[in-house]
Amino acid sequence: GESVGLHLPTLSVQEGDNSIINCAYSNSASDYFIWYKQESGKGPQFIIDIRSNMDKRQGQRVTVLLNKTVKHLSLQIAATQPGDSAVYFCAETSSGNTGKLIFGQGTTLQVKP
Amino acid sequence: GAVVSQHPSRVICKSGTSVKIECRSLDFQATTMFWYRQFPKQSLMLMATSNEGSKATYEQGVEKDKFLINHASLTLSTLTVTSAHPEDSSFYICSARGPGNTQYFGPGTRLTVL
Repeated sequence: GESVGLHLPTLSVQEGDNSIINCAYSNSASDYFIWYKQESGKGPQFIIDIRSNMDKRQGQRVTVLLNKTVKHLSLQIAATQPGDSAVYFCAETSSGNTGKLIFGQGTTLQVKP
Repeated sequence: GAVVSQHPSRVICKSGTSVKIECRSLDFQATTMFWYRQFPKQSLMLMATSNEGSKATYEQGVEKDKFLINHASLTLSTLTVTSAHPEDSSFYICSARGPGNTQYFGPGTRLTVL
């Protein structure tokens, strides 16, 4: 859904552990979802995406899960590394939305060595 | 592939002046580009959709006369912040819709208005 300008929640994990970052979306019509990673002072970087006809999609060390019933999206990062420290955003869009992305609130991931 | 650049990366200007930010798709053509604004520790907020050869579509609450967008070619969109004031200080990010309809983001432009 639309970001409401809140300060970003923080997830702190130990290096080597798995991380799970959650996102709730608001538009039932959204059919395409993307996770982005943003490092300080840089633009968002594509991580992984998923379409609404799927529940799960795996990439390299990352997995995205989609639960359309409760409008919930999660990003799982396996064996978290210090280089994974960043802000993670989910984004949603729908086919009929001219490609406009609506970004979620974002979560700061801190990886402790 | 699918690289988007922005220029300048950082700009400081005096209150009342205008600032132009360029967004370029380097290795693909983009009929549609998007402009976002991001305040510290907040999410990206879509400002407008830039369409090549036509007028931009602005999101609710974004002043089109203050944030002028020009998408004159398939690889370039510009955002001009007119009569900038300190409250316009922000991180401005563009994206371009490229291969596979994926949005590719630029590195952002940090605007500071004194």
